[in-house]
Amino acid sequence: QKEVEQNSGPLSVPEGAIASLNCTYSDRGSQSFFWYRQYSGKSPELIMFIYSNGDKEDGRFTAQLNKASQYVSLLIRDSQPSDSATYLCAVNSHSARQLTFGSGTQLTVLP
Amino acid sequence: KAGVTQTPRYLIKTRGQQVTLSCSPISGHRSVSWYQQTPGQGLQFLFEYFSETQRNKGNFPGRFSGRQFSNSRSEMNVSTLELGDSALYLCASSSTTSGVYEQYFGPGTRLTVT
Repeated sequence: QKEVEQNSGPLSVPEGAIASLNCTYSDRGSQSFFWYRQYSGKSPELIMFIYSNGDKEDGRFTAQLNKASQYVSLLIRDSQPSDSATYLCAVNSHSARQLTFGSGTQLTVLP
Repeated sequence: KAGVTQTPRYLIKTRGQQVTLSCSPISGHRSVSWYQQTPGQGLQFLFEYFSETQRNKGNFPGRFSGRQFSNSRSEMNVSTLELGDSALYLCASSSTTSGVYEQYFGPGTRLTVT
């Protein structure tokens, strides 16, 4: 079983819609959860992180965390074509000074 | 603040050669991590350095090594290159000022082994 799992996609949504990206993790000791965006040919860019159960909002982005279900998601409201990228979920456990990444979900926002 | 810088950005090497990649972290960040990214394996952790000491290491062969200098700049070295070492090598600079282990990536070095 992979430690961090994401649907690889591709996920296509129309412009203006809500894009929902999901991630599950296996280590119950995981404490911090990160979402990165990676454009083709570029390096990952940190969008936001979350460490408490519930929702965290930053502009058009909302991260949701449910530790009991070992599930974290990213919602992108009012999706724009410029949001088209691969979104990487990453997890950090208390004992490890490293991030474990999922394989990423490719998102395409259609004009 | 300036971001993470990596040099060189692109590199072409021949199988059997060795290569050294360089990374300068964000000013004030003392932790530097290295990752390998390939289409098949995704992002895989290589190692992490803090105050010139390797604190954490991933599952890579001994051909992959690194070091960190007193100014927090880091280098990674790959000896006896293999075709499978072709990848994007990413350096990440870390801060815990928010209480969370935030990592910020550099632009990467694209290594091609022929």
